[in-house]
Amino acid sequence: NAGVTQTPKFRVLKTGQSMTLLCAQDMNHEYMYWYRQDPGMGLRLIHYSVGEGTTAKGEVPDGYNVSRLKKQNFLLGLESAAPSQTSVYFCASSYSGLRLYNEQFFGPGTRLTVL
Amino acid sequence: KNQVEQSPQSLIILEGKNCTLQCNYTVSPFSNLRWYKQDTGRGPVSLTIMTFSENTKSNGRYTATLDADTKQSSLHITASQLSDSASYICVVYGGATNKLIFGTGTLLAVQP
Repeated sequence: NAGVTQTPKFRVLKTGQSMTLLCAQDMNHEYMYWYRQDPGMGLRLIHYSVGEGTTAKGEVPDGYNVSRLKKQNFLLGLESAAPSQTSVYFCASSYSGLRLYNEQFFGPGTRLTVL
Repeated sequence: KNQVEQSPQSLIILEGKNCTLQCNYTVSPFSNLRWYKQDTGRGPVSLTIMTFSENTKSNGRYTATLDADTKQSSLHITASQLSDSASYICVVYGGATNKLIFGTGTLLAVQP
């Protein structure tokens, strides 16, 4: 099993450009999440999904959109990138959100730089 | 406000030595607490989960403790190895809306 994979691993954008980050999991998990991780700050939740076809806002959703058309995939889009979106982005998945089953499995991350 | 605070921010120890990382939280109601290990350039990986009724749990050389009364948890690493160099993140699940609240992590460096 590959677990959680993310594409691409690195990306450099210019301000105003758009891009999509792809996350895929092969564990048949219901829940999927997108986080950003910045120096000196904990992981912050951007958006999440509790099942195929569903999405919900997290702590820092502004400037991002997501889609979950297939259970195994969760896409994060930046419509007009800004330097403040320079960060490392992690995708994660979990079997459910229930307290004993909410262990999150993380992907390797995408390092995004916006110039 | 539901918060998770970790200390120290960073720590340097010599290989073979023991160390203890701290996590204090104000999350209420409390459901569970996890410790994650994040190697440089990788995603976090769960080490252990602590529920309300558990005081101590071990995973190899890692031992987590929980004091739900004082809202404190610790992660003790015994006989450290170079491969223990990583960031250790405390995550608490709970609050009125059942959310995961992440600490900022402790960066551990084990030197030979």
